[in-house]
Amino acid sequence: NAGVTQTPKFRILKIGQSMTLQCTQDMNHNYMYWYRQDPGMGLKLIYYSVGAGITDKGEVPNGYNVSRSTTEDFPLRLELAAPSQTSVYFCATHLATRGNEQFFGPGTRLTVL
Amino acid sequence: GDSVTQMEGPVTLSEEAFLTINCTYTATGYPSLFWYVQYPGEGLQLLLKATKADDKGSNKGFEATYRKETTSFHLEKGSVQVSDSAVYFCALSGYSGGGADGLTFGKGTHLIIQP
Repeated sequence: NAGVTQTPKFRILKIGQSMTLQCTQDMNHNYMYWYRQDPGMGLKLIYYSVGAGITDKGEVPNGYNVSRSTTEDFPLRLELAAPSQTSVYFCATHLATRGNEQFFGPGTRLTVL
Repeated sequence: GDSVTQMEGPVTLSEEAFLTINCTYTATGYPSLFWYVQYPGEGLQLLLKATKADDKGSNKGFEATYRKETTSFHLEKGSVQVSDSAVYFCALSGYSGGGADGLTFGKGTHLIIQP
C-alpha cells in the first residue's frame, strides 16, 4: 500500500514551458486535492476533485488545470510556467467518512527560471 | 472566509522543555481542527485532530483541546525531544458532510529543539 505518490520529486522549468505533475493514490479515496506551499505562507488549495470526472477550483487556480479520469489519478497541468509558480506542490486525498483527515504525498519541488 | 492564525516561528527550545504553539481560528459553523507536522523534505503528516467542541486530540505526547469559546486549538507537549524538530501546521475543515473543499492552513511554526 503506497498511499499517495507524486512524480517528479524535483523539476526546473524555463518560463513558458509546460509540464504535468503526477499524483496517484491506491487508497480508493474519493476526494483529491492539490496544494502549493510557499515559504512562510502555509498551504493554499489550487484545485480539488470529489470523484472521477468532477473537479473544482480552490483558492489559487490561475495558471493551472486538472483532470480526474480515474479514482486513482489526479494530474496537475501547468501550461505556461511563470516564476510565480515556483513552489512545492502537494497532492492529498480524503475519504469522506473519515472526518476530513487528509493524507499527503511527499511533494514536488518546482523551480521556474 | 475561514482563517487560521498560529504563532510565528522559529520557536527554539531546549530538550525536555514544555511546548505551547498557539492556534486560533475563524470559521462559520462547526469546523474540525487539525495539527499536521512536516519533517524536512517530507509531506505533511496528521499529528492529531478534534472534531467537536471540548474534544482533546492527542498523539506522541502532544495534545490540543478544541475550545469553541476562545476559538483556539493550542498544541502542547510536556517534554520535547530533538526529534520533535519540524514545522507544525494548524488547520481547519469546514466540511460538515455536504462537501469537502479542502483544509485551511495556518502559516506554520518552525520548531527547533536543541540538545
